[in-house]
Amino acid sequence: GAVVSQHPSWVICKSGTSVKIECRSLDFQATTMFWYRQFPKQSLMLMATSNEGSKATYEQGVEKDKFLINHASLTLSTLTVTSAHPEDSSFYICSARPTGQAIYEQYFGPGTRLTVT
Amino acid sequence: RKEVEQDPGPFNVPEGATVAFNCTYSNSASQSFFWYRQDCRKEPKLLMSVYSSGNEDGRFTAQLNRASQYISLLIRDSKLSDSATYLCVLQRTGGYQKVTFGTGTKLQVIP
Repeated sequence: GAVVSQHPSWVICKSGTSVKIECRSLDFQATTMFWYRQFPKQSLMLMATSNEGSKATYEQGVEKDKFLINHASLTLSTLTVTSAHPEDSSFYICSARPTGQAIYEQYFGPGTRLTVT
Repeated sequence: RKEVEQDPGPFNVPEGATVAFNCTYSNSASQSFFWYRQDCRKEPKLLMSVYSSGNEDGRFTAQLNRASQYISLLIRDSKLSDSATYLCVLQRTGGYQKVTFGTGTKLQVIP
């Protein structure tokens, strides 16, 4: 149980285009999902907290107009990287917290590796 | 000072060895602590929570020292499959309860 999927697992796009990443909780409902970014040899950095039915909460330094988050259902959150640039190339990981459980009970997706050329 | 600091390693140890990692934290409001394991190019997975009284799960022992603001992870009888990056994770108190990841300590167990 507690499986989280992400799609796509990897994507290459051209600079200036937009990319959408999906995060799904497959066997549980998740009121809250989290989006992280990880650059090589660095720690996971929380980008934003996504709450179903409401606006996402972005961490300091993360541009909300560039990283659009939509959490339209209890099992799906999407992250859209708009007008991607090479510096956006990174490993994007989502996690989902089963509804009603403590925040540390979060299950991670397998990640999406984005390369912007 | 970083909120969470870990020695990045790598720690290269022979099979069967005992190895320990420390993680220091600066925010005394941090209330919950965890160790996650991350394999190369994979997502992190919860290894164990860390309690003030210390806790053990098989070959793994976690300790918390609030006075000195550090947590530790001890791995006994290292296996090749233990090779991974171990991430120290903190959760703050309060309504937001933000989770912060350390940069990780890389462990390589050598045959």
